[in-house]
Amino acid sequence: DIQMTQSPPSLSASLGETVSIECRASEDIYSNLAWYQQKSGKSPQLLIYYASSLQDGVPSRFSGSGSGTQYSLKISGMQPEDEGVYYCLQGSKYPYTFGAGTKLELK
Amino acid sequence: QVKLQQSGAELVKPGASVKLSCKTSGYTFSTSYMSWFKQIPGQSIEWIGMIYAGDGGTGYNQKFKGKATLTVDTSSSTAYMDLSSLTTEDSAVYFCARGGANWFAYWGQGTLVTVSS
Repeated sequence: DIQMTQSPPSLSASLGETVSIECRASEDIYSNLAWYQQKSGKSPQLLIYYASSLQDGVPSRFSGSGSGTQYSLKISGMQPEDEGVYYCLQGSKYPYTFGAGTKLELK
Repeated sequence: QVKLQQSGAELVKPGASVKLSCKTSGYTFSTSYMSWFKQIPGQSIEWIGMIYAGDGGTGYNQKFKGKATLTVDTSSSTAYMDLSSLTTEDSAVYFCARGGANWFAYWGQGTLVTVSS
């Protein structure tokens, strides 16, 4: 199975601060990488797919980049509603696998 | 719009089985895939497997073979997941999500399964 190593495990950001979350895959996943936000008690919400494509309705402060085995999610200007847990998902090879998550809080 | 409505929370005894449902609307169910996921509260998410509603063809994460069985009822646009021989390790929230490849934009609200005597 492809292992997804996500960092950092937790993050605290001030209002308006830019934050980045990283995911490293154990092998090349050819940009088949998605980012999700999950709020407590809710289902995951798709933010980014194919590494850098913004899902419809997601604010433009969210962006994704990367290729091969290294990927990142950037939030340009932290907002209160951005609090939650963020996961990366590799959709390159079955079984699909998620990162361990990054808990993002407003400082 | 696309909607996936999952069945309510379940409290089941160890060794028992449970059948979860995911009723869909807003898209053509019979030509779509459905995937299922497991999330133990406070932990990450695991992909269990997927089913193609067109012919019932399935693909499972090896970890869940023998534990989960996926089926569909195209007449009601509903997907099901049977979980068998339940143990406390199966206590989790289970999600359905439309699709079988790459990423998943539409998710159900989740069903909490608690295994306890």
